[in-house]
Amino acid sequence: NAGVTQTPKFQVLKTGQSMTLQCAQDMNHNSMYWYRQDPGMGLRLIYYSASEGTTDKGEVPNGYNVSRLNKREFSLRLESAAPSQTSVYFCASSLQGYEQYFGPGTRLTVT
Amino acid sequence: DQQVKQNSPSLSVQEGRISILNCDYTNSMFDYFLWYKKYPAEGPTFLISISSIKDKNEDGRFTVFLNKSAKHLSLHIVPSQPGDSAVYFCAARQQGGKLIFGQGTELSVKP
Repeated sequence: NAGVTQTPKFQVLKTGQSMTLQCAQDMNHNSMYWYRQDPGMGLRLIYYSASEGTTDKGEVPNGYNVSRLNKREFSLRLESAAPSQTSVYFCASSLQGYEQYFGPGTRLTVT
Repeated sequence: DQQVKQNSPSLSVQEGRISILNCDYTNSMFDYFLWYKKYPAEGPTFLISISSIKDKNEDGRFTVFLNKSAKHLSLHIVPSQPGDSAVYFCAARQQGGKLIFGQGTELSVKP
């Protein structure tokens, strides 16, 4: 039982490049989330998926897109990376919308 | 407009003493509150939670207190141990299961 897994762990992009962050959970959770963590800002919700087949914007969705591929997987895509998207990205999942369980994070640098 | 605030960026405590971490919120519609602990280079891990209908919840060395009239949440750790040194985030649940996080407080427990 791996919980929530994220790939890659680290990534360096040049401005304008695109990439997809992958997230998978094996806890049979219904809801999945993407957050970014920046110094002094806590964790801010980018997008979430309350259930398979649905996605909604969070607090900071601009510049990102998501896909809920199936119940297990929820990916985050940066179409044209910008230096302001340098951050640590966390994926999380939840069974009933209360406690969320987080992955280990992806550290992204955009130069 | 920060709905969940942790006004102390850092806290230093002697081993064996009590650690008190504080959190304030503005939205009276939050129905559930959580504390997460985060070590460097890892994802946040769920620590303890409390429903808005309660004023106290205890789990071993960790106790969370909720004062709804003051819109204030606190986490007490007794006794504090060096392994408790981490960043602690409080979070509040909105309708639909979204969490709003505070900025975090870095706790350092000195031997």
